[in-house]
Amino acid sequence: QKEVEQNSGPLSVPEGAIASLNCTYSDRGSQSFFWYRQYSGKSPELIMSIYSNGDKEDGRFTAQLNKASQYVSLLIRDSQPSDSATYLCAVRTGGFKTIFGAGTRLFVKA
Amino acid sequence: DADVTQTPRNRITKTGKRIMLECSQTKGHDRMYWYRQDPGLGLRLIYYSFDVKDINKGEISDGYSVSRQAQAKFSLSLESAIPNQTALYFCATSDLPMTSGGATYNEQFFGPGTRLTVL
Repeated sequence: QKEVEQNSGPLSVPEGAIASLNCTYSDRGSQSFFWYRQYSGKSPELIMSIYSNGDKEDGRFTAQLNKASQYVSLLIRDSQPSDSATYLCAVRTGGFKTIFGAGTRLFVKA
Repeated sequence: DADVTQTPRNRITKTGKRIMLECSQTKGHDRMYWYRQDPGLGLRLIYYSFDVKDINKGEISDGYSVSRQAQAKFSLSLESAIPNQTALYFCATSDLPMTSGGATYNEQFFGPGTRLTVL
């Protein structure tokens, strides 16, 4: 089992829809959770971090964390073509390493 | 100016050559990291450094070495490049972790990347 798993996609949504990106992790001691956006050929850019169970909202982005289920998700409301990118889930484990998932490719169709 | 810079941005080299990738940061962070990214495999940690005198191997350090010349500079070397080291290489930095409310905060910030091709 991979330490951080994401569906590679591509996930295709129409413009204006909600995009839902999911991530599961294996280390129950994990403490911090991050979502990075990466455009093709560019570096990862931190867009959300979440540390406690529940939802955290920032503009059109909502991160959701469920530690009991070892599950973290990112919702993008009113998706725009400019949101088309690969989204990386990163988890800081109980061993204090940060592990990155392989990413989910998102396409937002105009 | 960018907070984390990498040079070169692109490099094509031949098998057996020695290559150095450089990273500089103006964020004032103590911690620096080198990752490589391959399609479908995500980011994999090569080496990391928590300060100038503290350097640690990551999950894929074989064939690589690093030097932390100063708090702001962290270089990655490929002593004898081979084709399967063709990848996108990223440097990242982070501040000291802060713990609050039972959670530990340790966000990483990435440089623009170096695309390395080994022929």
